[in-house]
Amino acid sequence: AQKVTQAQTEISVVEKEDVTLDCVYETRDTTYYLFWYKQPPSGELVFLIRRNSFDEQNEISGRYSWNFQKSTSSFNFTITASQVVDSAVYFCALSPANTGNQFYFGTGTSLTVIP
Amino acid sequence: GAGVSQSPRYKVAKRGQDVALRCDPISGHVSLFWYQQALGQGPEFLTYFQNEAQLDKSGLPSDRFFAERPEGSVSTLKIQRTQQEDSAVYLCASSLTASGNTIYFGEGSWLTVV
Repeated sequence: AQKVTQAQTEISVVEKEDVTLDCVYETRDTTYYLFWYKQPPSGELVFLIRRNSFDEQNEISGRYSWNFQKSTSSFNFTITASQVVDSAVYFCALSPANTGNQFYFGTGTSLTVIP
Repeated sequence: GAGVSQSPRYKVAKRGQDVALRCDPISGHVSLFWYQQALGQGPEFLTYFQNEAQLDKSGLPSDRFFAERPEGSVSTLKIQRTQQEDSAVYLCASSLTASGNTIYFGEGSWLTVV
């Protein structure tokens, strides 16, 4: 079975605080891809990052960083020095290689950054 | 175009009415996907095209839902005899090819059935 769990439904932080969004996935496939998307109030899902299952290197992009750990099936997302513009719903997604690019999304974490 | 374009952005339909939602993918993208997103939920897969071929329609909730992509570019999702439970955002996405590629989403078509 393919499944993505985002246990945090809603998070509120004060501006400039760091925040980590958790993502745990389940799959029996050995080759798969993990993604994070941001959904602002306008509704469009904005691509943030893609990782494949063979690359466990952590990645940093500006204030964003991602921690991929296969041992715990987790792909967590940290925003450093949060800003009001970071307020959105964030989705983690799994795409196993043998499913024709089908994506399995978590239920999302709604992040509110308070000025 | 620069991004995935969807129309209409908002649609209110009376129960029993048929609706058609249009998606114009990113130019050159072979794969096209439709997802349904209920309020407070993540997107759920509906169907997938590679060029004009519909390779997977396992997520379509009933035979009232029908999707096509006749020329391998623009796609239409049609919902016949709409029901209140069809109220959701319908997201279209496209990618260059299949398997593991990033999919890029449009802004969605917000359907409300009254």
